[in-house]
Amino acid sequence: IQMTQSPSSVSASVGDTVTIHCRANQTINYALNWYQQRPREAPKLLVYAATTLQRGVPSRFSGDGSGTVFTLIISSLQPEDFATYYCQQTFGPPPYTFGQGTKVDI
Amino acid sequence: QVQLVQSGAEVRKPGASVKVSCKASGYTFTSYDINWVRQATGQGLEWMGWMNPNSGNTGYAQKFQGRVTMTRDTSVSTAYMELSSLRSDDTAVYYCARGRGSRSFDYWGQGTLVTVSS
Repeated sequence: IQMTQSPSSVSASVGDTVTIHCRANQTINYALNWYQQRPREAPKLLVYAATTLQRGVPSRFSGDGSGTVFTLIISSLQPEDFATYYCQQTFGPPPYTFGQGTKVDI
Repeated sequence: QVQLVQSGAEVRKPGASVKVSCKASGYTFTSYDINWVRQATGQGLEWMGWMNPNSGNTGYAQKFQGRVTMTRDTSVSTAYMELSSLRSDDTAVYYCARGRGSRSFDYWGQGTLVTVSS
């Protein structure tokens, strides 16, 4: 299963709302996770099962979608949110492929 | 608290093998899968495979079949990933990550840089 993210990068300001898109080339129901990766850090789980916020993740992050089209929305962007975001599908048997990433910068 | 602590950076010559360890603490090691993900410098995340620490069952991405072996030692709550026949394009940071029933990766190791260079 191939995952395609858009845009590949986005420039934004503190307080903005950013929307990141992820598309699968076949239906994956709700088997979609979102991760945040800051420079020189390991990825961090933000959203799992397409819409469920991981414990401890701020509520300004939200996930939506099902089937083949998914979005991650970051409301009221904070300085610590400037990072790269990856979607990942975990539908059916492996491999559990990632999107190519979306870099959010200032 | 849940922690995955990986072994230190490695340098290998082309054709050699490398074995990276991932020591788990703060939870029951045999209750969650361990996945391995790698990231070349400036590139995205690439899933390599998974292992069930309870059964030892594994599944590998087709790209790595025949070159990767994932094992574990339950007595020390440690998972291992060995990659053989190394090439320069295997230079990357290798991460272990805990897989939950939801198939999301909720805890990650700090990463291990493997450099392949003659």
